[in-house]
Amino acid sequence: NAGVMQNPRHLVRRRGQEARLRCSPMKGHSHVYWYRQLPEEGLKFMVYLQKENIIDESGMPKERFSAEFPKEGPSILRIQQVVRGDSAAYFCASSPNGRYEQYFGPGTRLTVT
Amino acid sequence: KQEVTQIPAALSVPEGENLVLNCSFTDSAIYNLQWFRQDPGKGLTSLLLIQSSQREQTSGRLNASLDKSSGRSTLYIAASQPGDSATYLCAAGKADSWGKLQFGAGTQVVVTP
Repeated sequence: NAGVMQNPRHLVRRRGQEARLRCSPMKGHSHVYWYRQLPEEGLKFMVYLQKENIIDESGMPKERFSAEFPKEGPSILRIQQVVRGDSAAYFCASSPNGRYEQYFGPGTRLTVT
Repeated sequence: KQEVTQIPAALSVPEGENLVLNCSFTDSAIYNLQWFRQDPGKGLTSLLLIQSSQREQTSGRLNASLDKSSGRSTLYIAASQPGDSATYLCAAGKADSWGKLQFGAGTQVVVTP
């Protein structure tokens, strides 16, 4: 059973470009979570999704950030018009439901130049 | 608002000593507490999950306890090895916001041969 997969593992974007981060949950998991780890800071919750639904987006910045988890395919975290402050490691996790153990992917390290 | 604190921030022990890592949380209304390990530049590996109805969980050399009334969890690692060197994170899942884990800043552990 493959673990949570994230791609790309490393992403470099210039200021103003768009970044798309992908997450494929573990087989049988329909709940996906995104977290961000800024340099020298702890992990912060961003958004919790089920298939085609956003359950909790209380940690998402109000502008430029969006997330989706379509019926088919991976979950996507999209950052429009990236700025240097978006440089961070973005982790995706999945679970069978919202109260179970979360399993994390290897992360996508975004660098904005 | 749930706050999770880990003390100490860093810990260095000689090989063979037992490790004791502390995690405290301000809101006792949690549904579970999860301990993770993070190696530099890598993702998170889930170590132990304690449901709110449990007092402790054990896996091999690892034992985690949970005391909701005092807002504390402790991770014990017996007979430490150099391979245990990593950052250890605890995360609390709040009862009224399923799926949203609140992370501590972590304890960086170095086990010297």
